[in-house]
Amino acid sequence: AQSVTQLDSHVSVSEGTPVLLRCNYSSSYSPSLFWYVQHPNKGLQLLLKYTSAATLVKGINGFEAEFKKSETSFHLTKPSAHMSDAAEYFCVVSDRRGSSASKIIFGSGTRLSIRP
Amino acid sequence: KAGVTQTPRYLIKTRGQQVTLSCSPISGHRSVSWYQQTPGQGLQFLFEYFSETQRNKGNFPGRFSGRQFSNSRSEMNVSTLELGDSALYLCASSTVIAGGYNEQFFGPGTRLTVL
Repeated sequence: AQSVTQLDSHVSVSEGTPVLLRCNYSSSYSPSLFWYVQHPNKGLQLLLKYTSAATLVKGINGFEAEFKKSETSFHLTKPSAHMSDAAEYFCVVSDRRGSSASKIIFGSGTRLSIRP
Repeated sequence: KAGVTQTPRYLIKTRGQQVTLSCSPISGHRSVSWYQQTPGQGLQFLFEYFSETQRNKGNFPGRFSGRQFSNSRSEMNVSTLELGDSALYLCASSTVIAGGYNEQFFGPGTRLTVL
C-alpha cells in the first residue's frame, strides 16, 4: 500500500530565507515521487519528479528535493524564498509496479506563506 | 502545445440535479485523470481513463462516473448532486510510461457549487 504524509500543513518563512517542506512516503514498490505547486485559483504545476535516477532532483524556480530511501523522505527545499513562492505544495507518490493497478496518491498539502 | 482545458470553469447547480464536466487533454496524451479538491478532504483521486477504458478508480460513490472518447477527451458526470459535491474538479493528462505514472499536467479546474 502507498501513502504520503506532508508533515506540516502550514509553513511561514521570511523572504530571502531557506524553505523546507517535509514529505514522508510509504510504498511497497519502487516509487515515483513528485512535488506540485498550486497557486490560488489555479491548477497544479509540476515542480520536480524523482523516478529512480539521481537522488537529488532539481526543479523549476530554484526548488530541489532529495530522495532518501533509508528515511522514506522526499523533502522539498529552496535556498532563498521569494514572495511569488507563496502557494500550496503537494507531495505525490506513485508506485511503479508495471501494471495497470499503479495508483497515484496526493499528500494533504502544505501552505507556504512568505513574510516580507 | 495547448495545455489541458476544462469546461465550464464555473458551475452552479441545485441538489438533485446532475452535471457533466469536460476535459480536453494535451495533444498526444492518452491518460486522463480526474480529481476532486475540497478544503476539508484535500485532493482526492476520482478515476483515470486510458484508451477509452477506466484504468483506475478512487473511493467515490457510483454517482460519479466518467468516460473517454477516441480523441482522448474526457467527461465526468455527477448525478443526484449533494451539497458535499461542491468542490474544484481538476482534470490532468499525461503520457503513459512503462511501470507507472508519468508527470501529470493539470487543467485550471471547474468550480462546482451545489446549492
